[in-house]
Amino acid sequence: NAGVTQTPKFQVLKTGQSMTLQCAQDMNHNSMYWYRQDPGMGLRLIYYSASEGTTDKGEVPNGYNVSRLNKREFSLRLESAAPSQTSVYFCASSAGTGYDEKLFFGSGTQLSVL
Amino acid sequence: AQKITQTQPGMFVQEKEAVTLDCTYDTSDPSYGLFWYKQPSSGEMIFLIYQGSYDQQNATEGRYSLNFQKARKSANLVISASQLGDSAMYFCAMRGFNNAGNMLTFGGGTRLMVKP
Repeated sequence: NAGVTQTPKFQVLKTGQSMTLQCAQDMNHNSMYWYRQDPGMGLRLIYYSASEGTTDKGEVPNGYNVSRLNKREFSLRLESAAPSQTSVYFCASSAGTGYDEKLFFGSGTQLSVL
Repeated sequence: AQKITQTQPGMFVQEKEAVTLDCTYDTSDPSYGLFWYKQPSSGEMIFLIYQGSYDQQNATEGRYSLNFQKARKSANLVISASQLGDSAMYFCAMRGFNNAGNMLTFGGGTRLMVKP
């Protein structure tokens, strides 16, 4: 039962470098999300994709871009990494965007920007 | 805008005792869902329990129950018979219709530590 798979699990970048975080789900879910979690805090939504072919900004989108490659895959790109983007990143998916739809999370990517 | 508040940054509980983790929320949506997630030290987010705003009865899932008081806008998690494996961060979250497509909004979390 793979569920939501994120890669990589750990990454260290230098300021100004770029990278893409990959996420794939095998539950045939329509909606996918990217969250970040800073130390001692809850998760904040970066971007989401309600359905294949759509993406929208969440609470903290600045410095990020996303691509919904197909129904299974949703990637997050940092074009020019900054130390403020040091965080743990979680990808999640849900069957839809109804208020009763729970999210299933990947195991997270720990990113450090030096 | 939605807001979730968890006022207990950290709590201790004796093994085998019950514990209540507080959560209050603020929303103008008539329809919404309330969720609790557990995050152990390994980092993954584990869904525990869900309560819908129109549900008449409090939700229960094994040792977890949700004390839902709609008029007070509170959704406290009750863990009965605490176990050492319950030591973790616990997040309350809410999902309701808003301009950002029903995004799930999280509180700041409560760290629960179970003492043997």
